[in-house]
Formats: sequence, structure tokens, C-alpha cells
Amino acid sequence: SQTIHQWPATLVQPVGSPLSLECTVEGTSNPNLYWYRQAAGRGLQLLFYSVGIGQISSEVPQNLSASRPQDRQFILSSKKLLLSDSGFYLCAWSDGNRYGYTFGSGTRLTVV
Amino acid sequence: AQKVTQAQTEISVVEKEDVTLDCVYETRDTTYYLFWYKQPPSGELVFLIRRNSFDEQNEISGRYSWNFQKSTSSFNFTITASQVVDSAVYFCALSDLNQAGTALIFGKGTTLSVSS
Repeated sequence: SQTIHQWPATLVQPVGSPLSLECTVEGTSNPNLYWYRQAAGRGLQLLFYSVGIGQISSEVPQNLSASRPQDRQFILSSKKLLLSDSGFYLCAWSDGNRYGYTFGSGTRLTVV
Repeated sequence: AQKVTQAQTEISVVEKEDVTLDCVYETRDTTYYLFWYKQPPSGELVFLIRRNSFDEQNEISGRYSWNFQKSTSSFNFTITASQVVDSAVYFCALSDLNQAGTALIFGKGTTLSVSS
């Protein structure tokens, strides 16, 4: 069966520090991968998506970047965090046919 | 452009009341999919239902029911005899072919509070 792992679960980082959030999928190949962010009290905003290794598309210009070094690995990064980067980050995968989208358990990031 | 609107930001009900969460969507695609997710306080997204644009039959699952009307571009969600455990944020979402990467586009969510 397919599973998605996302870590860490919580993170407190100072302003200006780097960020690396990792997401891995098991039990499938060539998934579509997504990063979403949920700011406090707000909806889910699509940040990045990837349809293959090395293929990254950004939906919102921002302080963050994403990479897909392996087929089932999706990384969200920042060189210097801002206060506004605080939020709940969710990774998700789908098989591309829109039948289903599976979400990770999320990372709650607080930038102080 | 694709868009999902959940006009109700917060709803508060007392246990055993019925409650309907509204969802209105916009898309130029003729083939699209609509979803509802539940987000409890722990944060994870729990899948509730998926509906394709060619299936307008209403669906019932226990205390949950969904009313899909293409004529009004709505996909409303009703909880019958609400319970405290239903307290959560509920998201409606849309996926269509015009969205590159077939990503889900979410509404802003409706926070449901059920008191005993």
C-alpha cells in the first residue's frame, strides 16, 4: 500500500535561519507531488507541484523553493526564513488521474 | 480560472442539529472532480468524498450527505444530527484539467463547532 511520510512534525526556527522539510512517498512510482501551506486561520494554498524528477512548478512567488532529487522525495527549502513563513505545511501526492490525493500529517512551522 | 468559494467562515451548532456547509466552484472544464476533506484539530486532512462532474447523484454515507448541482455549480455537504466529534475545519476542493499538475484547489474552509 502507498504511504506518505512528512517530517518533522513541528519546528521552531529563528528569523533568517534556513529550512528543510522532507516528504517521501512509498508504494508508488512517478507520483505527482505537492506542497501546500495553511497560514493560521486560513485556507490551503498550493505552493509547488512536481510531475517528475527535477520538474518543479511554483504557484506563488515567495521566499521558499522546492526540489525533487528522487522520484518519491520532495523537499521544501528556504535560505532565510521570514516571520510570514510560519504556518502548517502539508505534502501530498496523487497518481495524476485525480482519483485521489493523499496528504502527509503536516509540519507546523513557527518562525520566531 | 478555477476557484472554490466557501462563504461560511464559521458555523456553531448544538449537538443533534443538522448543518449544511456550502461550496460553490468555478471552472471552465467540462470534466472535473470535487472533494470534501475534514481537518480535525490535529491538522491532518481526512478524505470524505470525491465526485466527478458527470455524476450528479446525491450521496449519503451515514450521517453525511452531499448535494451536487451543476446548474448552480454547488457541492454542498450536510451533517445530520451533528456530534461534538464533527467539530473541525471542512474544506471543499476542485481538480480539473486546466490546473497544471492536476493540483487540488481548495476553498478557504468552514470551521464547524458542535457544542454539547
